[in-house]
Amino acid sequence: DTEVTQTPKHLVMGMTNKKSLKCEQHMGHRAMYWYKQKAKKPPELMFVYSYEKLSINESVPSRFSPECPNSSLLNLHLHALQPEDSALYLCASSQMGGGLGSPLHFGNGTRLTVT
Amino acid sequence: QKEVEQNSGPLSVPEGAIASLNCTYSDRGSQSFFWYRQYSGKSPELIMSIYSNGDKEDGRFTAQLNKASQYVSLLIRDSQPSDSATYLCAVKSSGNTGKLIFGQGTTLQVKP
Repeated sequence: DTEVTQTPKHLVMGMTNKKSLKCEQHMGHRAMYWYKQKAKKPPELMFVYSYEKLSINESVPSRFSPECPNSSLLNLHLHALQPEDSALYLCASSQMGGGLGSPLHFGNGTRLTVT
Repeated sequence: QKEVEQNSGPLSVPEGAIASLNCTYSDRGSQSFFWYRQYSGKSPELIMSIYSNGDKEDGRFTAQLNKASQYVSLLIRDSQPSDSATYLCAVKSSGNTGKLIFGQGTTLQVKP
């Protein structure tokens, strides 16, 4: 079982809907990430939060809005999505600091379908 | 040139054989390297981290790193059908962002 929990596991939404993806970790990690993964492609970085502050936004369209309410929680708010936004959305967390990079630990993902 | 390159495969090996997965990277300053396994429809699962030149063994898995050649590999001994998955090589970039760059992944098929 993963220590990063994502809800919901599946989500179907229309292009005019507003929905949110949620992610929670209790490993004491201070970096949290949102990735998007299309079929047969590697994960693609969207956002990084370090110590609850947004540190990287990979030029993601504004219809995706991240939020980090505290060190354990990460949300991704969705509004006016397009069918091409259908994908597996992955949350991940990692430790901060140190001279070497800490590995990312992924949640089970949310399978999003935009109709 | 892609930052992290892997042969997409599929790599097909018989059960019990050694599977060898390879990865090259372009950022010479990278210091952290990871292998993830991803089953179809599931999320990536970390199986190995390696930071120093040489070999690192964990059970049936051995990661090998050669920074001079900018090359990292994963060996899976005694391959099992349950090892059939996509294996993602990931390299943490040097510099302030420390972004994790994924290769395209190699699909491994272990035939009984």
